Amino acid sequence: EVQLVESGGGLVQPGRSLRLSCVASGFTFDDYAMHWVRQAPGKGLEWVSGVSWNSANIGYADSVEGRFTISRDNAKKSLFLQMNSLRTDDTALYHCAKDISGSIRYFDSWGQGTLVTVSS
Amino acid sequence: EIVLTQSPATLSLSPGERATLSCRASQSVIGYLAWYQQKPGRAPRLLIYDASYRATGIPARFSGSGSGTDFTLTISSVEPEDFAVYYCQHRRNWPPVTFGGGTKVEIK
Repeated sequence: EVQLVESGGGLVQPGRSLRLSCVASGFTFDDYAMHWVRQAPGKGLEWVSGVSWNSANIGYADSVEGRFTISRDNAKKSLFLQMNSLRTDDTALYHCAKDISGSIRYFDSWGQGTLVTVSS
Repeated sequence: EIVLTQSPATLSLSPGERATLSCRASQSVIGYLAWYQQKPGRAPRLLIYDASYRATGIPARFSGSGSGTDFTLTISSVEPEDFAVYYCQHRRNWPPVTFGGGTKVEIK
């Protein structure tokens, strides 16, 4: 069974940083692309960033480009999101999601998410 | 950036009725479109990918169609567990990947 467990969320002041982690199990991690998708309270889904299986292809939403950095450690079956210069509109539940392939396509497994609240 | 517009925003149906949900893209996404279901407090679930392929374990009452800019998710006979929010998503010319705003299917 695929399991994705996120951690690292919390309450942070605007302008500060936070690092999210996602540990995967139940599948061959280094065969698949991985993503971060967020959902602000009461709102829809927003793709944040994705990374291909070998980290050769990485992309970001315009809203986080230059502030967030995605990375993965295939040996540790882990996905990360370094979030800098956080803003109040970054407040959301952040889900780690597995792609259906090694490149960027669609998301067939999701974690339950870690909540990030940006507030002074 | 390709914008996905979903309609209607809310669909009120009785169990057993047919549901037809629409997703329109601001430019062609060819067939690179997926549909997800999300229930309150739960993570989304992939239903359909590449416009018409059912994901693993998805019941046959869910079907997808369309290409280019117009896509449809159909639930042939709505079951009580199908009341949820549905999102479409494309992957054409990423980044970015984008989602539509969602359609809520509610009990009439």
